[in-house]
Amino acid sequence: EAGVTQSPTHLIKTRGQQATLRCSPISGHTSVYWYQQALGLGLQFLLWYDEGEERNRGNFPPRFSGRQFPNYSSELNVNALELEDSALYLCASRRGGGNSPLHFGNGTRLTVT
Amino acid sequence: AQSVTQPDIHITVSEGASLELRCNYSYGATPYLFWYVQSPGQGLQLLLKYFSGDTLVQGIKGFEAEFKRSQSSFNLRKPSVHWSDAAEYFCAVGETGSYIPTFGRGTSLIVHP
Repeated sequence: EAGVTQSPTHLIKTRGQQATLRCSPISGHTSVYWYQQALGLGLQFLLWYDEGEERNRGNFPPRFSGRQFPNYSSELNVNALELEDSALYLCASRRGGGNSPLHFGNGTRLTVT
Repeated sequence: AQSVTQPDIHITVSEGASLELRCNYSYGATPYLFWYVQSPGQGLQLLLKYFSGDTLVQGIKGFEAEFKRSQSSFNLRKPSVHWSDAAEYFCAVGETGSYIPTFGRGTSLIVHP
């Protein structure tokens, strides 16, 4: 079974630009989560999508947005990039809701210069 | 609201020594508890999980964890550490009805030969 895949692996952008990160969940998983892992801050919850709908979002500004497609893949968009957006962005999936464990991808390293 | 505390930012052990990583949580009912491991440049891999039942949980790679309700703890243990265990370890807690796992800030394990 293929795991969660994220692309690109690395992304370098300039302050003020937009970034788009993509995630393909494990087959059969309908829920996708996005977390930001900035240096020294652990994992901060960004967004949760299930069955194509945004179910919850963390304490991040509206310039962080995303969507989930009919095939359950997802993309995260970050507009008006700021230097402090530099981080590892992790996508995770699980089957439906509930509290089963999340399965993580290897992340996208976003660097804003 | 649920919260997770990992009191140790760094832990250094010698190869072959035993290991215990601490995790304390704050939650009223019985939580869903997880331990994950993250190697450099990688996503998070699930080591083990606790939902209910036996309070001593066995995981992959020789790890185990014990749920102690009276101490609100879910400490991770391994009897003999290998150099390949050097990584970042995250404790996470899930809350019924929330579906958003909360992660601790992580403990970095350093293994000396």
